[in-house]
Amino acid sequence: DAGITQSPRHKVTETGTPVTLRCHQTENHRYMYWYRQDPGHGLRLIHYSYGVKDTDKGEVSDGYSVSRSKTEDFLLTLESATSSQTSVYFCAISDRAKNIQYFGAGTRLSVL
Amino acid sequence: DQQVKQNSPSLSVQEGRISILNCDYTNSMFDYFLWYKKYPAEGPTFLISISSIKDKNEDGRFTVFLNKSAKHLSLHIVPSQPGDSAVYFCAASGGTSYGKLTFGQGTILTVHP
Repeated sequence: DAGITQSPRHKVTETGTPVTLRCHQTENHRYMYWYRQDPGHGLRLIHYSYGVKDTDKGEVSDGYSVSRSKTEDFLLTLESATSSQTSVYFCAISDRAKNIQYFGAGTRLSVL
Repeated sequence: DQQVKQNSPSLSVQEGRISILNCDYTNSMFDYFLWYKKYPAEGPTFLISISSIKDKNEDGRFTVFLNKSAKHLSLHIVPSQPGDSAVYFCAASGGTSYGKLTFGQGTILTVHP
């Protein structure tokens, strides 16, 4: 397995609270991605990073922000969680663009 | 606008037979395609990929076929085994996308003993 750790694995929170999900890698890969998985939609890209402090938006970025201050860590923040952000969140890494992405085990987030 | 579509939500096959999973795409800039398998409560795991310069790639029991003119790819699993039961996602990337993947909705494969 690629060295990817997502934390927490499960979280229940209330509407309006801030939430931060962490992705940690030990592979020293340049590219990191955050996806969410919802029924009927497959996986959709939220944000991605192509280097330390280099990030950009994906397909469903509204309501989310990210930060990458170190190669190994990519944080996803929900500034004010809403029920529509209840989902399973996956982090992925890749050593270069247009290459295989390896996924973490996911974080199941419930916003009540 | 769903750029990658898997039109069959589910597929059921007998052990030992062939499983064929299909995927269609609309974006002509896509030039790299991947298949992932996902078990419940786990992250997707990479199965096989194909570049648009090829029309077939094979890895053991898994073969991916790409028909660029039809914007269609398929995954063949021969022979199918009960352990292959999972959700299968196709994904595509291309252009100046930094490897961003666009996923299909997934197909649930069930292989019966």
